[in-house]
Amino acid sequence: QKEVEQNSGPLSVPEGAIASLNCTYSDRGSQSFFWYRQYSGKSPELIMFIYSNGDKEDGRFTAQLNKASQYVSLLIRDSQPSDSATYLCAVKTSYDKVIFGPGTSLSVIP
Amino acid sequence: DTGVSQDPRHKITKRGQNVTFRCDPISEHNRLYWYRQTLGQGPEFLTYFQNEAQLEKSRLLSDRFSAERPKGSFSTLEIQRTEQGDSAMYLCASSFDRDLNEKLFFGSGTQLSVL
Repeated sequence: QKEVEQNSGPLSVPEGAIASLNCTYSDRGSQSFFWYRQYSGKSPELIMFIYSNGDKEDGRFTAQLNKASQYVSLLIRDSQPSDSATYLCAVKTSYDKVIFGPGTSLSVIP
Repeated sequence: DTGVSQDPRHKITKRGQNVTFRCDPISEHNRLYWYRQTLGQGPEFLTYFQNEAQLEKSRLLSDRFSAERPKGSFSTLEIQRTEQGDSAMYLCASSFDRDLNEKLFFGSGTQLSVL
């Protein structure tokens, strides 16, 4: 079992729709959870951080965490073509290091 | 704050040669990570440092890979006797591990091609 898994892509949504990205992790003692966005040919950049169960909203982005299910998600409302990128789920594990999932490629179709 | 710098941006080498990459983190950051990324995959953890101490090296990493961070500032990643499978983007990231929100700042990466 991989330490961080994400829903396989690519994911295509029409402009204005909600994009839903999912992530599961294996280390039950993991401390905090991150969503990074990576545009083609660029390095990852942080867009969301969450460490408590429940929802966290920042503009069009909502991160959801369920530690009992070891599940993290990212919702992007009113998706825009500029949201087209690879979304990486990252976890700060109980060993205090940050590891990444394989990423989900998102395409927003105008 | 000039961000995280990596050098070189690109490296082409022949199989069997040794290569060394350098990373200069954001100056006040105490943590430094090395990741490897291939096309269509997420960053794969290689190793990380807290100040000058190497806290962990991936068990999947061959003994051909070594990293240092002397004096807790810049870091180097060396690959000895390169193989074609080492071809990848090598990413460095730094952070300030003050709490749960350990935000990583990435450099632009070093693209390694082993011929």
